[in-house]
Amino acid sequence: KNEVEQSPQNLTAQEGEFITINCSYSVGISALHWLQQHPGGGIVSLFMLSSGKKKHGRLIATINIQEKHSSLHITASHPRDSAVYICAVRSLYNFNKFYFGSGTKLNVKP
Amino acid sequence: NAGVTQTPKFRVLKTGQSMTLLCAQDMNHEYMYWYRQDPGMGLRLIHYSVGEGTTAKGEVPDGYNVSRLKKQNFLLGLESAAPSQTSVYFCASTKEAYEQYFGPGTRLTVT
Repeated sequence: KNEVEQSPQNLTAQEGEFITINCSYSVGISALHWLQQHPGGGIVSLFMLSSGKKKHGRLIATINIQEKHSSLHITASHPRDSAVYICAVRSLYNFNKFYFGSGTKLNVKP
Repeated sequence: NAGVTQTPKFRVLKTGQSMTLLCAQDMNHEYMYWYRQDPGMGLRLIHYSVGEGTTAKGEVPDGYNVSRLKKQNFLLGLESAAPSQTSVYFCASTKEAYEQYFGPGTRLTVT
């Protein structure tokens, strides 16, 4: 069973489109993380949130604790946003336990 | 700050050979982790450390050993490599309950 499910698995968009990536989880969490992995392979943390909403530039992340659901939005998408976006949750009961989604591969075409 | 660095970036091993992957961080983080990433699967935790001199098993520890003799370094060893250990390995570190910082990854192929 997958404790963290992401949708869609693959997403192709035209430059300028508004993009939404969804993440659902089934375990108790202390925090949810959105990560970005570029084709070169490096992984960067975009957001860490435990409630509400956070915004950084064109990226917005929201979380609904009651529904165990989070969304990552990209406004005015650009080809440089092309990457794999990974949702990860930190277990509420084991500080060192993270559950990772399998990622959403985003391709933004010019 | 260099952040989290990993050595080497690429390696090809023959079955049965051994090697050590080095992870170093200069952020004075207490917690360090080794993950492997395989196609179609999420990152999986191999081993982790909550401080200098301590290590613990993650969800896929078999075939790997680790050591944390210095706070800034976390070593991952493969004593006898197997083709099933072909993967991309990521090291990460974190300070308490904050975000994880990842290294650039090591692509390992075992033939």
